Amino acid sequence: EADIYQTPRYLVIGTGKKITLECSQTMGHDKMYWYQQDPGMELHLIHYSYGVNSTEKGDLSSESTVSRIRTEHFPLTLESARPSHTSQYLCASRAVTDYEQYFGPGTRLTVT
Amino acid sequence: GESVGLHLPTLSVQEGDNSIINCAYSNSASDYFIWYKQESGKGPQFIIDIRSNMDKRQGQRVTVLLNKTVKHLSLQIAATQPGDSAVYFCAATGGGNKLTFGTGTQLKVEL
Repeated sequence: EADIYQTPRYLVIGTGKKITLECSQTMGHDKMYWYQQDPGMELHLIHYSYGVNSTEKGDLSSESTVSRIRTEHFPLTLESARPSHTSQYLCASRAVTDYEQYFGPGTRLTVT
Repeated sequence: GESVGLHLPTLSVQEGDNSIINCAYSNSASDYFIWYKQESGKGPQFIIDIRSNMDKRQGQRVTVLLNKTVKHLSLQIAATQPGDSAVYFCAATGGGNKLTFGTGTQLKVEL
């Protein structure tokens, strides 16, 4: 089982609130990713990082931001949550030498 | 850009039968392909992968076939079990070595 963790697992929050979704991995992976996934649908890449102080936007436009101050930590922040942000957010990581991405369990976010 | 699609949204099979899940990709430059299994409430889990220099790769009860000519890959699960019930995703490398995921196929195993 992969050593990648996400908290919280479930979050219900009101419109306008600022939230941070946490993602940590203990595998020493340089590359980390955030995906957004609606139930049963494909994963959409919203952010990725190739190492400390490296962050890039993904293929799907997102109002969230990310930071990568430490190798093991890749948090995602929504400054002002909206109902359209309701979704599942998956964090993943991989080694530089390997294409396989290891996924965390996900955070299911509901914005009311 | 890369698009990856699955042919069927839902596949129902009897326990003990073999399952075949298909996937098409569009980027002929893709050189790595991977299948993930996602159970309800969990993140995707690696099943098997294959590189473009191979046509077939086998794992435990699973086989992936790659046809680069028609840009198609398939996942075969032998002797499908109730624990195989999940959503299955294929993914292919696109630009910058990122993975592009297809829409999932829900595999339902009937007893």
